[in-house]
Amino acid sequence: KNEVEQSPQNLTAQEGEFITINCSYSVGISALHWLQQHPGGGIVSLFMLSSGKKKHGRLIATINIQEKHSSLHITASHPRDSAVYICAVYAGGTSYGKLTFGQGTILTVHP
Amino acid sequence: DAEITQSPRHKITETGRQVTLACHQTWNHNNMFWYRQDLGHGLRLIHYSYGVQDTNKGEVSDGYSVSRSNTEDLPLTLESAASSQTSVYFCASSEFQPLGPGKAFFGQGTRLTVV
Repeated sequence: KNEVEQSPQNLTAQEGEFITINCSYSVGISALHWLQQHPGGGIVSLFMLSSGKKKHGRLIATINIQEKHSSLHITASHPRDSAVYICAVYAGGTSYGKLTFGQGTILTVHP
Repeated sequence: DAEITQSPRHKITETGRQVTLACHQTWNHNNMFWYRQDLGHGLRLIHYSYGVQDTNKGEVSDGYSVSRSNTEDLPLTLESAASSQTSVYFCASSEFQPLGPGKAFFGQGTRLTVV
């Protein structure tokens, strides 16, 4: 079992729909990243959070440390949101600074 | 603006050749990392460095080496390229913060094909 699990693996939506991607992890962490990767492109950090909630435009990320769970929400989805979304965690202890990644969620938004 | 750049973006090489992938960051970050991305495996850590002259092995380090002679650069060398090393390689950097590791910044990736 992976230390970081994402669901769903694939997600198809119509433009305008509300989207949720989930991330569960089994290790103690100091922080969590939500990353975005467009086809053939680089990786960009959308959020880094260690508690609560962060919002940027149509994107919202939440984390519940006690339940070891985080969610990424996209409101009013748009075709340009089509990408792979990756959850990555900073584990504690000797893993300091190293990221452990989920498998990614492939999001396709149709016009 | 500060950035992290990788070169080349695409590389085709032959089995057995030595290959070096470059990573250069202008964030002045102490922490630098090399990851490889493969279908079915996601991103996995190859090597990392917490500062000049410091290098450490990650979970998939066999066949790879790195050196850190300055803050800005962490080149990744494939000593004798193998077909199993065909992958997309990402370099990342981050900085220590008082309350934990800082935000990670990634390069654009290098697509390496070993034939």
